[in-house]
Amino acid sequence: EPEVTQTPSHQVTQMGQEVILRCVPISNHLYFYWYRQILGQKVEFLVSFYNNEISEKSEIFDDQFSVERPDGSNFTLKIRSTKLEDSAMYFCAGMTGVGTGELFFGEGSRLTVL
Amino acid sequence: GESVGLHLPTLSVQEGDNSIINCAYSNSASDYFIWYKQESGKGPQFIIDIRSNMDKRQGQRVTVLLNKTVKHLSLQIAATQPGDSAVYFCAENRANQAGTALIFGKGTTLSVSS
Repeated sequence: EPEVTQTPSHQVTQMGQEVILRCVPISNHLYFYWYRQILGQKVEFLVSFYNNEISEKSEIFDDQFSVERPDGSNFTLKIRSTKLEDSAMYFCAGMTGVGTGELFFGEGSRLTVL
Repeated sequence: GESVGLHLPTLSVQEGDNSIINCAYSNSASDYFIWYKQESGKGPQFIIDIRSNMDKRQGQRVTVLLNKTVKHLSLQIAATQPGDSAVYFCAENRANQAGTALIFGKGTTLSVSS
């Protein structure tokens, strides 16, 4: 069964460093998302992406965050200058956009900012 | 403000019992609802969805009920098994607008004891 693949599974970084989280969505998906989950809390929407541009973003997704899909395959989330409060699980998700609105999630990338 | 929420943060049941997990939403524009299951260290997994033109939908051992009058959603799990132990999130979306955010509630942790 096709699945959303995320790398790295865990990254530890120093505050102020840049981080790039990568995702390979399911091939027939057209809509892509990043969510984050701080430990023990709910899953929070960051951004949605379609047709090579951002469709919607939350207030969490400030100027420190960016997304791109440079090669038509990988979907990346970049955090320019990490803060302690960026420590969380980051989930990539995708959707076909046809029929149901079901999102398929990856296993997540755990980011620890020291 | 928060659009979707859950009534109870935890629910403990015995194996074989039926479980009912509740969710209240506040956005009247929402017309598509999903229940996700999240096991420890994993991404959310789709369980069942329902559109606003329905009030009940059944899957394998699971039933979702939607009461639009009071903006209430519930997930019923029949004959709960230890493998059902997880955090359950309800989520809402506007089904006609692919690419828009799927908003999650806070989650209910279901513990099933044998």
